[in-house]
Order: sequence, then C-alpha cells, then structure tokens
Amino acid sequence: GAVVSQHPSRVICKSGTSVKIECRSLDFQATTMFWYRQFPKQSLMLMATSNEGSKATYEQGVEKDKFLINHASLTLSTLTVTSAHPEDSSFYICSACTSRRGGETQYFGPGTRLLVL
Amino acid sequence: DAKTTQPTSMDCAEGRAANLPCNHSTISGNEYVYWYRQIHSQGPQYIIHGLKNNETNEMASLIITEDRKSSTLILPHATLRDTAVYYCIVNDYKLSFGAGTTVTVRA
Repeated sequence: GAVVSQHPSRVICKSGTSVKIECRSLDFQATTMFWYRQFPKQSLMLMATSNEGSKATYEQGVEKDKFLINHASLTLSTLTVTSAHPEDSSFYICSACTSRRGGETQYFGPGTRLLVL
Repeated sequence: DAKTTQPTSMDCAEGRAANLPCNHSTISGNEYVYWYRQIHSQGPQYIIHGLKNNETNEMASLIITEDRKSSTLILPHATLRDTAVYYCIVNDYKLSFGAGTTVTVRA
C-alpha cells in the first residue's frame, strides 16, 4: 500500500511555456501533499506544502506565482511551472502524507524530470 | 538547521548486515525518527520510522537509544540493490533532507 504516482515522468519544453505535473495517491487519501525539487548532486529541497481545499504554503524563496499548486481532491495535487526557463530544469518530486503507527509518514512519487530548452 | 548527523558514506559487503548510524541529539519528545532511501534518479522510498521503541519491518530494523539521541538503521542482509543514499530525518511534520549517507554495497 501507500503508492504515489506522478505524471509525466519526463518532460521537455521550450522556454516560456508552462508545464503541469500531477501527483496522485493511488490507494490512500492524503489531506496534505508536498512538492520538492532536487538539482543534480544535491538533496531534496521542500518547495511547498499542499493542503486539500486550501491555498498552498510556500517555502522561503519559492515564487508562488511561478509554481502554482492546486490540491483539488484528497488524491490529486498538481504543480504548474509557469513560464518555464532553463534554470527551472530539475527533478520535481511529490509526496503524500498519511498516518501510520502514530507518525505522519510521507510516501513519495517517482519524480518528474523537467528539461527546459 | 541540521537536526541529524550521518556519516557521508559507507561501504558494505553483499550478504552482510549494514549498520547505518544517525545522531539526533536535539530531538524533542514528540518527534519521530524516519529513514528513507533514494536510489539514483528515483523518488525517495520510505523504510521505517519509530518514536521510542525499536522497530522492525520487512526491509530493516531501527534501533533507537534509550535517550533517543541516536539511532541505527540495520539492513540485515545487504544486496546490490540496496546501494542508495540513506536519509535519517527527525520528523516535525515537514521533512528536511540533509546530505544522507551514500551506501555502496559491493559484491
């Protein structure tokens, strides 16, 4: 159990276009989902916390107007990278949170690799 | 703020137990210790978590010291597929990923 999917797994786009990434919890409901970004040879960095039915909370330094997050249901959160530029090229990973044995455990998706040309 | 300290890297032999240490001396009473691993180019994989007691599941065992200031993740029989970066995280709702321990399992 606790499977999280992401779509697409890989995307290449032109500079200035927008890209939408979907994150789904397949076998559980998640009130909270998280979005991370990982650059080569670096660790994961939290971008934002996505709560179902409310506005996302963004980490310091993450532009909310550039990275639009929508959490429309208990199993789906989307991240839209607007007006993408080459510096937005990265590995984007989502996680969905559920309670397991007393802790709030995050289960991660397989990631989406974005390349902006 | 780094809440955990882990060795940068470690090697282990295939078939042997791998013991991964983690220090979390500033852990508070209601914080859990979580372990994840990330295999190259994949999303992190949940391994195990615990609060006070030792825990075991199909993947690993987690040994937490009585004062909760450190813990050890044990992979009982390491395989080549266990080669990954292992992260020890003290969970205060958000996960803060440090550099982790790069574990290389050698044949």
